[in-house]
Amino acid sequence: NAGVTQTPKFRVLKTGQSMTLLCAQDMNHEYMYWYRQDPGMGLRLIHYSVGEGTTAKGEVPDGYNVSRLKKQNFLLGLESAAPSQTSVYFCASTLGGTQYFGPGTRLLVL
Amino acid sequence: AQTVTQSQPEMSVQEAETVTLSCTYDTSESDYYLFWYKQPPSRQMILVIRQEAYKQQNATENRFSVNFQKAAKSFSLKISDSQLGDAAMYFCAYRSLSGGGADGLTFGKGTHLIIQP
Repeated sequence: NAGVTQTPKFRVLKTGQSMTLLCAQDMNHEYMYWYRQDPGMGLRLIHYSVGEGTTAKGEVPDGYNVSRLKKQNFLLGLESAAPSQTSVYFCASTLGGTQYFGPGTRLLVL
Repeated sequence: AQTVTQSQPEMSVQEAETVTLSCTYDTSESDYYLFWYKQPPSRQMILVIRQEAYKQQNATENRFSVNFQKAAKSFSLKISDSQLGDAAMYFCAYRSLSGGGADGLTFGKGTHLIIQP
């Protein structure tokens, strides 16, 4: 039981490049979330999903897209990366009241 | 929208002493969850403690306990017998239960806890 895993752990992009971050959970959780964490800030919600095939916007969705084709996976896409998207990205899943987080992906956009 | 405020950017405590981290929140809802998460230098978000708003009894997990004051919208974390491994960023978070509870967490900006040996 690996819990919540994220791929990759670290990535450097040039402005304008695209990439996809993968989140996987093996706990059969319905709800999944993507957050970003910037220096001096708590985590802020980007997008979330309440089940396979569904997604919704969070607090800071601009510049990101998501997909949940399978219950266990939640993908976060950056179509055209910008320096403002340099951040640490966390995925989480929940069943019941508590969210369980992945280890994070550090993204640097030059 | 809910907001969570942690007014102490940094706290320092001697090993084996007790420290209290403050958190206040703003909401018009009556039913919700509150959490404290710990984030060590590894960046992993680790759940410390959870409190359901409908429960009057304060949650406790070993050396960690909360003082939940619903009317005052206050949710402080007390760490007893502080240990070097407690050094980390601590985040207070709020979870609404409206809309089926699917909404994500609203976080405070965090408190950096330093443990002095």
